[in-house]
Amino acid sequence: KAGVTQTPRYLIKTRGQQVTLSCSPISGHRSVSWYQQTPGQGLQFLFEYFSETQRNKGNFPGRFSGRQFSNSRSEMNVSTLELGDSALYLCASSLGQGFHEQYFGPGTRLTVT
Amino acid sequence: AQTVTQSQPEMSVQEAETVTLSCTYDTSESDYYLFWYKQPPSRQMILVIRQEAYKQQNATENRFSVNFQKAAKSFSLKISDSQLGDAAMYFCAYRSINNDMRFGAGTRLTVKP
Repeated sequence: KAGVTQTPRYLIKTRGQQVTLSCSPISGHRSVSWYQQTPGQGLQFLFEYFSETQRNKGNFPGRFSGRQFSNSRSEMNVSTLELGDSALYLCASSLGQGFHEQYFGPGTRLTVT
Repeated sequence: AQTVTQSQPEMSVQEAETVTLSCTYDTSESDYYLFWYKQPPSRQMILVIRQEAYKQQNATENRFSVNFQKAAKSFSLKISDSQLGDAAMYFCAYRSINNDMRFGAGTRLTVKP
């Protein structure tokens, strides 16, 4: 089975721009979660999608948004980028909601200049 | 809100020896899952082991085992017969019944040959 894939792997943007990151979950997985990883804040939960609906949301501003498609693929969007948005963005998929373990993708390294 | 604390930013172990990584968490819930994830320098997070809170028996996966003390809210990871490939960042994670996922700050494990 193919693992979780994320595209692009690396991205450089300038302040004020917007960016869209993509995540394809493991086949059969219906839940996708997004995390931001930075040296200072560690791993922080952004949001979780299940069956095209956002089920849970972390403490991030409205500039961070996401969506999930009927094939369970997910995208996250960050508008009006700030320098502090530079981070590794990780996507994780699981079979469903509840206590299923999550499988992580390799991440997208976003650099905002 | 649930918090996860890893009090050891760095740990070192000699190859073939045993090391224990500590994790404590704070929660008012009775049902939840706990996980240990490994993040090697390549950055892909890998699930090491998981523990259901309702199970008293400690989880074991080959050389990896946990010491789960529910009353003390402690969840340590023991790595036996350490190998060079075990060198990585290790994250302790808590997943609540409402799917809230929290990670500790991580412990960087170095394995000395």
